[in-house]
Amino acid sequence: DAKTTQPPSMDCAEGRAANLPCNHSTISGNEYVYWYRQIHSQGPQYIIHGLKNNETNEMASLIITEDRKSSTLILPHATLRDTAVYYCIVRATDSWGKLQFGAGTQVVVTP
Amino acid sequence: GAVVSQHPSRVICKSGTSVKIECRSLDFQATTMFWYRQFPKQSLMLMATSNEGSKATYEQGVEKDKFLINHASLTLSTLTVTSAHPEDSSFYICSASGSGGAVGELFFGEGSRLTVL
Repeated sequence: DAKTTQPPSMDCAEGRAANLPCNHSTISGNEYVYWYRQIHSQGPQYIIHGLKNNETNEMASLIITEDRKSSTLILPHATLRDTAVYYCIVRATDSWGKLQFGAGTQVVVTP
Repeated sequence: GAVVSQHPSRVICKSGTSVKIECRSLDFQATTMFWYRQFPKQSLMLMATSNEGSKATYEQGVEKDKFLINHASLTLSTLTVTSAHPEDSSFYICSASGSGGAVGELFFGEGSRLTVL
C-alpha cells in the first residue's frame, strides 16, 4: 500500500473548520484513501473514505485532488471532542482490510 | 452500525503468566480479524491477520509462539500473550472485516491495555 505524509500536529479553534492535509503521491489506481481518528486510549474510529470523488458524511468531508496525489479531510465545525490523532491511510481493494498506520496528525481543538 | 468488542479493556498480570484477549464482532460475521499493538506515543503496528478456520499470518518480527491467535468462529478471535514480560506491556487493538476485504469501513475494538509487572 502507498505511504502517506501528514503534518505531525495541528491546532484548531473550537467552532472553526479544521482542514487536515495528507500527501499520497505514490497512490495506485486501485487504492482508496481512508481517514481514521484515535482519541486517547481508544480504538481507531472510522471517519470517511473515497477513491477519486469528493465525499461527505455526517462527520466530515473528504476532498481528493484530481491527480489523487493528495487529499484534505475537513471537519466543518471542530469541537473539543474532535481532539485526537487523525490517520490518513491508503488501502488497496485487495488488501483484505490490512491497514498500515503512519504517525498521523495530532489535532488539538482549543476553546 | 457494526461493533467490535474487546475484553478485557484493562489487564494487569505478573511476569511469566499468560493473558488472553478476546475480540468479538457483535452484529456481523468477521471472516478476517487483525491484531495491532500500540506503544505509548506511537502509532498502531499490525501484528497479525487472523482468518477464521485457518492459521494466522504474522507480520515480520512478531513471534507466533509468543502471541497465539485463534479465530475459531466467525465472531471471535483471541490473542494470547504467553509468558508475558514487562516489555509486552502495550495497548492491543483488534479490527474486523466482514466483507472479505472488500472496500468499506473496517471496525476497531476499544482496545485492551496490558500491564505486565
